[in-house]
Amino acid sequence: AQSVSQHNHHVILSEAASLELGCNYSYGGTVNLFWYVQYPGQHLQLLLKYFSGDPLVKGIKGFEAEFIKSKFSFNLRKPSVQWSDTAEYFCAVGREYGNKLVFGAGTILRVKS
Amino acid sequence: DAGITQSPRHKVTETGTPVTLRCHQTENHRYMYWYRQDPGHGLRLIHYSYGVKDTDKGEVSDGYSVSRSKTEDFLLTLESATSSQTSVYFCAIRRDPDTQYFGPGTRLTVL
Repeated sequence: AQSVSQHNHHVILSEAASLELGCNYSYGGTVNLFWYVQYPGQHLQLLLKYFSGDPLVKGIKGFEAEFIKSKFSFNLRKPSVQWSDTAEYFCAVGREYGNKLVFGAGTILRVKS
Repeated sequence: DAGITQSPRHKVTETGTPVTLRCHQTENHRYMYWYRQDPGHGLRLIHYSYGVKDTDKGEVSDGYSVSRSKTEDFLLTLESATSSQTSVYFCAIRRDPDTQYFGPGTRLTVL
């Protein structure tokens, strides 16, 4: 079945550690790729997106993601996490001209201060 | 801020009762969406609308209906709520280019 997979459901890091969250999708053809973040008790906010062009995308709050077409991956990275990055992170794939977003199950990140 | 409000923000209801959730936008976007969020499943699309009176089903549409009689409002109705519909419901709008922005959510508990 076509899907979006996030490799880790829970990640615990200490402040200043580097972060990489994996995301793989199984759709062929052209897709748009997104990372959203949900801070505790809040709604989803867009971190970054990739439509075309440079496969290394920079987003808000120091996050970046790399699209590797051959691996169907769109991994999220941050060189040094902060306690305020504690949140749930969702990878999403947009198909059919953005009409339908398919989400991964999410990764809960806890950053220890 | 995507200019989206959802009402109510919290609701507790009993099995078998009808429930309507409202999504209101202030920016006149054509596309609107309803998702449900459940642990371990991320967000799943219930229904979406591409204009007034134009709607289509998403991945998990069984047990839900929608209506859009004016551009700014998109209603989600559970005709007869079940415990499996206990969830957090998010509305979204689509801004160009092809990016969705989400409302604050409605937490629904069906007892």
